[in-house]
Amino acid sequence: KAGVTQTPRYLIKTRGQQVTLSCSPISGHRSVSWYQQTPGQGLQFLFEYFSETQRNKGNFPGRFSGRQFSNSRSEMNVSTLELGDSALYLCASSLTGTGTYEQYFGPGTRLTVT
Amino acid sequence: KQEVTQIPAALSVPEGENLVLNCSFTDSAIYNLQWFRQDPGKGLTSLLLIQSSQREQTSGRLNASLDKSSGRSTLYIAASQPGDSATYLCAVNRGGAQKLVFGQGTRLTINP
Repeated sequence: KAGVTQTPRYLIKTRGQQVTLSCSPISGHRSVSWYQQTPGQGLQFLFEYFSETQRNKGNFPGRFSGRQFSNSRSEMNVSTLELGDSALYLCASSLTGTGTYEQYFGPGTRLTVT
Repeated sequence: KQEVTQIPAALSVPEGENLVLNCSFTDSAIYNLQWFRQDPGKGLTSLLLIQSSQREQTSGRLNASLDKSSGRSTLYIAASQPGDSATYLCAVNRGGAQKLVFGQGTRLTINP
């Protein structure tokens, strides 16, 4: 069974631009979560989607948004990029939207904002 | 607010040693705790998941324990190998949704 895939793997953007990252969960998984990882803050939860609905959102500004499609694939968008948005963005998938199942992570998208 | 702490931040041991990584959390109302491994610049690999009703889980040379009442978990690695070198992260899931709260990780180096 294929794992979680994320595209693109690397991105370089300029301040003020916007970016869209994509995540394809493991087949059959319906929950997708997004995390931001930086050296200073570590791993921080962005949001979680289940059955095309955002169930939970972390403490990030409204520039960060996401959505989930009917096939469980998810995208996250960051508008008006800032230098501080440079990070590794990880998505994770799980079988259901409850907290009892193991989460599986993708390889991440490395975003660099210049 | 749930906080997760991992001590030590870095650990270096010779090959073959058994070692213990520590994780503590402030709110004992958790659904589960998950241990991950992360290699430099890579994503996270799930190692073990312990449900809140369980005391420990084992996979190969790895054994994770959970003491909810004291807010602690340990990851025991037996007969360490250079390939075990990585950052180890613990994360707790405290709600019905899939939201993990992570510790800062322990960077482990196994010296040949």
